[in-house]
Amino acid sequence: AQSVTQLDSQVPVFEEAPVELRCNYSSSVSVYLFWYVQYPNQGLQLLLKYLSGSTLVKGINGFEAEFNKSQTSFHLRKPSVHISDTAEYFCAVSGPNTGGFKTIFGAGTRLFVKA
Amino acid sequence: GAVVSQHPSRVICKSGTSVKIECRSLDFQATTMFWYRQFPKQSLMLMATSNEGSKATYEQGVEKDKFLINHASLTLSTLTVTSAHPEDSSFYICSARDLLMGQGLYEQYFGPGTRLTVT
Repeated sequence: AQSVTQLDSQVPVFEEAPVELRCNYSSSVSVYLFWYVQYPNQGLQLLLKYLSGSTLVKGINGFEAEFNKSQTSFHLRKPSVHISDTAEYFCAVSGPNTGGFKTIFGAGTRLFVKA
Repeated sequence: GAVVSQHPSRVICKSGTSVKIECRSLDFQATTMFWYRQFPKQSLMLMATSNEGSKATYEQGVEKDKFLINHASLTLSTLTVTSAHPEDSSFYICSARDLLMGQGLYEQYFGPGTRLTVT
């Protein structure tokens, strides 16, 4: 079965520093990859997605991610973070191997931006 | 863009009572809706998938008689937590998919969530 691993449960970083949130998935066969952000007591907001084409995907709020098929990774990056980026970030995968294109979520990474 | 709403945003109920949560797609037809449960500081756990006009498909370990899902129209799905107990307290999030939209097979649109507290 398809699975998603977010290697860091928490990532503290200073404001204006770069950040990378890591995500690995279990299979590279026809996967569609997503990053979502969740602010406290709110639903999920889509940051970016990879369906096909260019492996470098740009999303909202200055985030980008790179699909690496050989390493089965989809790490999220931002060159300079703001206090307002403090939130929970979820990597997710969907595809024919997730039981009818269900979305499988990673455990989440808490990004904490310090002043 | 595709918007999904949930009502109520917060609900407190007494143990043993039932509570209904509504999920609506506001500007598209939701051919499929999903219900998730999220415990504090944890990821989303898929509870069930529902297609309009048919019975919901529940994930393993989810009690279908306790979590009743109805997807009677293309814009509305409801989750009813029956005979609620304190351990049912959680954050419930719905999402919707429109297979007729360009990338509808791959993308889900999430509601803002409902915080259920059972006392």
